[in-house]
Amino acid sequence: GENVEQHPSTLSVQEGDSAVIKCTYSDSASNYFPWYKQELGKRPQLIIDIRSNVGEKKDQRIAVTLNKTAKHFSLHITETQPEDSAVYFCAARGTGGYNKLIFGAGTRLAVHP
Amino acid sequence: NAGVTQTPKFQVLKTGQSMTLQCAQDMNHNSMYWYRQDPGMGLRLIYYSASEGTTDKGEVPNGYNVSRLNKREFSLRLESAAPSQTSVYFCASSELVRGITEAFFGQGTRLTVV
Repeated sequence: GENVEQHPSTLSVQEGDSAVIKCTYSDSASNYFPWYKQELGKRPQLIIDIRSNVGEKKDQRIAVTLNKTAKHFSLHITETQPEDSAVYFCAARGTGGYNKLIFGAGTRLAVHP
Repeated sequence: NAGVTQTPKFQVLKTGQSMTLQCAQDMNHNSMYWYRQDPGMGLRLIYYSASEGTTDKGEVPNGYNVSRLNKREFSLRLESAAPSQTSVYFCASSELVRGITEAFFGQGTRLTVV
């Protein structure tokens, strides 16, 4: 079945450093890849997404890259700040017209001042 | 707009008891989902409903049933709760717009089965 693997499970960085989270997906027909941020005790919220016809997308300090051939995509956060500390989830949208999102296991990012 | 509203926020059940988690959205979305979140396991799809009148199993459907009552509401039922169902449950809804499927989540239900 469809599967999304996410690494690392935890990531600790110093404020100002960059953070990279990587995901791989199994369904080669997947065509949409969002990233969600979940702060402690809160609901997940979309922070950035990328469609399969695009290789890279940036939004201020965050960027996402997609390699369709290798079936992997990554989230890059530059100049990290303490408020970036959260759990980040990648996801891939399944095909078949159902729009269902399959999520990775999450990465807990800690940014230390 | 309230977005996605789930009830209750917290619940403690005894093993074998039943309960229904309620979810409603006011964004006129066609698709709705139920996920469970366990430490280190991410968000696992229990059931989803692509549109009113349809439901399909996700990754972990055993022990659950769902009802898509109308376009707004999608409920999740535990017929005989087990300790393994202790988790945080999230309802979500989405709509496909110009290739984008942004899922909006409810605030979550923390369920403990003792």
